Amino acid sequence: DGGITQSPKYLFRKEGQNVTLSCEQNLNHDAMYWYRQDPGQGLRLIYYSQIVNDFQKGDIAEGYSVSREKKESFPLTVTSAQKNPTAFYLCASSLRDVSYNEQFFGPGTRLTVL
Amino acid sequence: GDSVTQMEGPVTLSEEAFLTINCTYTATGYPSLFWYVQYPGEGLQLLLKATKADDKGSNKGFEATYRKETTSFHLEKGSVQVSDSAVYFCALSDYGNNRLAFGKGNQVVVIP
Repeated sequence: DGGITQSPKYLFRKEGQNVTLSCEQNLNHDAMYWYRQDPGQGLRLIYYSQIVNDFQKGDIAEGYSVSREKKESFPLTVTSAQKNPTAFYLCASSLRDVSYNEQFFGPGTRLTVL
Repeated sequence: GDSVTQMEGPVTLSEEAFLTINCTYTATGYPSLFWYVQYPGEGLQLLLKATKADDKGSNKGFEATYRKETTSFHLEKGSVQVSDSAVYFCALSDYGNNRLAFGKGNQVVVIP
């Protein structure tokens, strides 16, 4: 079955530690996205990538980093510079033109900073 | 920039009631419009979409019509079920950056 996988489902980290969230897709999509979801805030775009080896900052990129070395993979690193990292993180992918094409979402990773 | 506004607050209603969730947008050009649904603890799923003015998207008994004159894309369902309890997000495509802009979402709770 084609889809998007995110791991782990729950993640705990201590303050000051970097942590990397995994996102893999086998849909052969060019574009991939990372969102952060907080209660009452909806989805806010962190980073997105429309092609391998290229990515752009979204609305709340500070304290986060990404890489896109393979078409299937778009890992997100939450660095110690992110002031309030506890949130639900969602990865998505789509064909390149989102004007007509839906974004497919993974099940999400809930990150808690202790 | 392009943006989406959804009505404030959760929506609580009884089974078989009529559901409306309001969505209005601000955009340059002619965006496509989407409704996504999120069930508890899961990612988002596309519910329906419309790509041009006067188009009606429909799925699972839900409908929404792309109204350019009122810049709206309200979601409706004639008779809700307990299984429709979820968070619903309105979104539009942003032609300039090839990304989606989401509203804040509405929690819908259907009581038996």
